[in-house]
Amino acid sequence: NAGVMQNPRHLVRRRGQEARLRCSPVKGHSHVYWYRQLPEEGLKFMVYLQKENIIDESGMPKERFSAEFPKEGPSILRIQQVVRGDSAAYFCASSPTGVAQETQYFGPGTRLLVL
Amino acid sequence: KNQVEQSPQSLIILEGKNCTLQCNYTVSPFSNLRWYKQDTGRGPVSLTIMTFSENTKSNGRYTATLDADTKQSSLHITASQLSDSASYICVVSPSRGKSTFGDGTTLTVKP
Repeated sequence: NAGVMQNPRHLVRRRGQEARLRCSPVKGHSHVYWYRQLPEEGLKFMVYLQKENIIDESGMPKERFSAEFPKEGPSILRIQQVVRGDSAAYFCASSPTGVAQETQYFGPGTRLLVL
Repeated sequence: KNQVEQSPQSLIILEGKNCTLQCNYTVSPFSNLRWYKQDTGRGPVSLTIMTFSENTKSNGRYTATLDADTKQSSLHITASQLSDSASYICVVSPSRGKSTFGDGTTLTVKP
């Protein structure tokens, strides 16, 4: 009964490096959501993807951030040229059909620390 | 603009006591409201989900209420345990568009 898997669980990068965060949704789920949680703050929506498509990226910064969910393999959240302000927990969630009323199932998160 | 406001921001109670967390929202048109529990260092886990026609829903010691007229929800925790220490997040979904997350209430249960 595999839930949402995220890796790595912890990631340390120096300023200017790239960070790649991976998310494998619940088996059979084709909708993935990425959220960012800054220390002591709530979850903030970043991007919503369906297989091979970005549906809503309104919460994702226009520069340095990108996301994909290929036909095969996990969803990837990519942060280029990281800065200290990118330090946060990044959570991925998945749902079966993407209907807003559905419960989203969350992964354990990736904690990114930028030195 | 869709908004979800939770109160209090943080709460400390003694083990065995009851508590109530509040959630006010302006999301429209309303579809459902969910409460999530997020333990420190982990992802949120769904506790309850309520639609427009539901007033109360329970999950063990957790009872959620919904007043769709006043756009308010509460999460009542009975006979608190140390393991209830967590952040509780209210999420409101419209019938179209994306869900809106509250900032959460951080609950600390002390022995």
